[in-house]
Amino acid sequence: AQSVTQLDSHVSVSEGTPVLLRCNYSSSYSPSLFWYVQHPNKGLQLLLKYTSAATLVKGINGFEAEFKKSETSFHLTKPSAHMSDAAEYFCVVTLYNFNKFYFGSGTKLNVKP
Amino acid sequence: NAGVTQTPKFQVLKTGQSMTLQCAQDMNHNSMYWYRQDPGMGLRLIYYSASEGTTDKGEVPNGYNVSRLNKREFSLRLESAAPSQTSVYFCASSERQGENYGYTFGSGTRLTVV
Repeated sequence: AQSVTQLDSHVSVSEGTPVLLRCNYSSSYSPSLFWYVQHPNKGLQLLLKYTSAATLVKGINGFEAEFKKSETSFHLTKPSAHMSDAAEYFCVVTLYNFNKFYFGSGTKLNVKP
Repeated sequence: NAGVTQTPKFQVLKTGQSMTLQCAQDMNHNSMYWYRQDPGMGLRLIYYSASEGTTDKGEVPNGYNVSRLNKREFSLRLESAAPSQTSVYFCASSERQGENYGYTFGSGTRLTVV
């Protein structure tokens, strides 16, 4: 069985401070992991993906995530938040050669001026 | 622009009415998906089509039917709409079964059932 848990439903940071969005997964097999972002009234955009290559993955807009198998985590980070980062973020897990993607419940990021 | 196109963007239905949500992709992807998004629940898979000519149920298929019309198009039908089907619906596609390049999503259809 597979599942993904986003530990925080809301995160609030000040502009210019670091961002940490937490994601833990459970999977019987080696997973592929993704982070997506959704801005208000928009579709989902792929930020980054982990597919068993380097454990530290760099994505768009300065985001990165580290795959830690021992902790079954795939947390999303950014050194310095920007107002335009305010959005909802989804952690997604899938099994290689398996055609279903499992979404976390989402984390809403608020960035204060 | 290449991508996934969903129509309509907004729809209001009365309970019991039927409608079809349309989805088309022009990236030559083999696999297509329908998700619904509800507050606090993330995205839940309704149906998917691994390849042209095949469809399978996802987590929440009840009350829906799908048709993979051809490689490009994957439609979602509500035969008798219920208020519980008020949601935002996303269509997505991916290259082919076994590949894990992630999804390309459409911009969504906001459906309200009154």
